[in-house]
Amino acid sequence: GAGVSQSPRYKVTKRGQDVALRCDPISGHVSLYWYRQALGQGPEFLTYFNYEAQQDKSGLPNDRFSAERPEGSISTLTIQRTEQRDSAMYRCASSPGTAGANVLTFGAGSRLTVL
Amino acid sequence: GEDVEQSLFLSVREGDSSVINCTYTDSSSTYLYWYKQEPGAGLQLLTYIFSNMDMKQDQRLTVLLNKKDKHLSLRIADTQTGDSAIYFCAEMAPGNTPLVFGKGTRLSVIA
Repeated sequence: GAGVSQSPRYKVTKRGQDVALRCDPISGHVSLYWYRQALGQGPEFLTYFNYEAQQDKSGLPNDRFSAERPEGSISTLTIQRTEQRDSAMYRCASSPGTAGANVLTFGAGSRLTVL
Repeated sequence: GEDVEQSLFLSVREGDSSVINCTYTDSSSTYLYWYKQEPGAGLQLLTYIFSNMDMKQDQRLTVLLNKKDKHLSLRIADTQTGDSAIYFCAEMAPGNTPLVFGKGTRLSVIA
């Protein structure tokens, strides 16, 4: 697509429920990144993929968080048994993955609220 | 480890220049970036600079990099009310790795 598309834009859930956040990157972009941004903070790295391979998941806070990109395009970030502290803006970005400046294009984000 | 620090707030009058500062710790950073976030919107890339450059100019934007002091600045000339936003500095270590962002500087432009 023309830009990075994320859905849902807003998600309100009850504590203990699972949520899945979806990211559709720019067509042809090799790399896909997930960041989390709390209010008043900068984006915090969670994980990233090159094609379908998860390259680094060191930023995932705990094992309730997982991500996949099975066909090297759309990615899903899943949070199991949500807790209130998971409330944040979840941002997806993609980049061409070529050498040089790694220019990330961000989507509008998915705002998660856990009650 | 990587760390990026920015002052949190900056207020300027319309028509003045704004200078937003950033310091980083990773001396191996290859590229440094400035992103802009407007209310309710995603992060938008403004500009970036390769670590072997001292300065980059793009219309009203001037980026200065002092690699020795690990200091990056963004100067916005003739600041307009539409420049009011949060500005994030980010660095990238070698190897096309994920960007590390600062906490952002909220720029308020007073008419």
